[in-house]
Amino acid sequence: KQEVTQIPAALSVPEGENLVLNCSFTDSAIYNLQWFRQDPGKGLTSLLLIQSSQREQTSGRLNASLDKSSGRSTLYIAASQPGDSATYLCAVHSSGGYQKVTFGIGTKLQVIP
Amino acid sequence: EAQVTQNPRYLITVTGKKLTVTCSQNMNHEYMSWYRQDPGLGLRQIYYSMNVEVTDKGDVPEGYKVSRKEKRNFPLILESPSPNQTSLYFCASSKADYSYEQYFGPGTRLTVT
Repeated sequence: KQEVTQIPAALSVPEGENLVLNCSFTDSAIYNLQWFRQDPGKGLTSLLLIQSSQREQTSGRLNASLDKSSGRSTLYIAASQPGDSATYLCAVHSSGGYQKVTFGIGTKLQVIP
Repeated sequence: EAQVTQNPRYLITVTGKKLTVTCSQNMNHEYMSWYRQDPGLGLRQIYYSMNVEVTDKGDVPEGYKVSRKEKRNFPLILESPSPNQTSLYFCASSKADYSYEQYFGPGTRLTVT
């Protein structure tokens, strides 16, 4: 059974700091790993998707990397802003005998002005 | 506009009264799934469907039913809702290609009293 862990569970940083969020998974048979953000009580906004054959993806101040063999992904946020405050979720789509999607519980980020 | 829609967005009901939450996508996606989100437990997959008439259990299928009679629709059925099914529900779809990028609906907040 796929298990996805996100560390840290919560993070508070001053505005302007660069930060790294971590996601680890136990089964490397995956189609992709997708990062989302979620504001309180709201839906999910897709940030980046990394296919299993890719090593990283970039969008603006965000960069996500994937090391499938070690079961790890990182989301790097450069020059953080108060508007980045949200919960960040990673999700893994397994490609083995089952086609399930497993989410981590998330990292709650607060960027202090 | 490409989108996943869910109805209703909010629902308060009583224990035992059958209900259906609808999900529809206009992107001709093969893969559709339902999730529930609970504090401290994150998003957990309830059921998923690889295509019409093909469905399979996710991690928390007990108390739920689904059907996939048409490619665009994937309703979630609670035959006898109980208070422990009070949750925020999300529907998602993705194309069954090498990426399986997920697109999420806005969510349905269900309260069972």
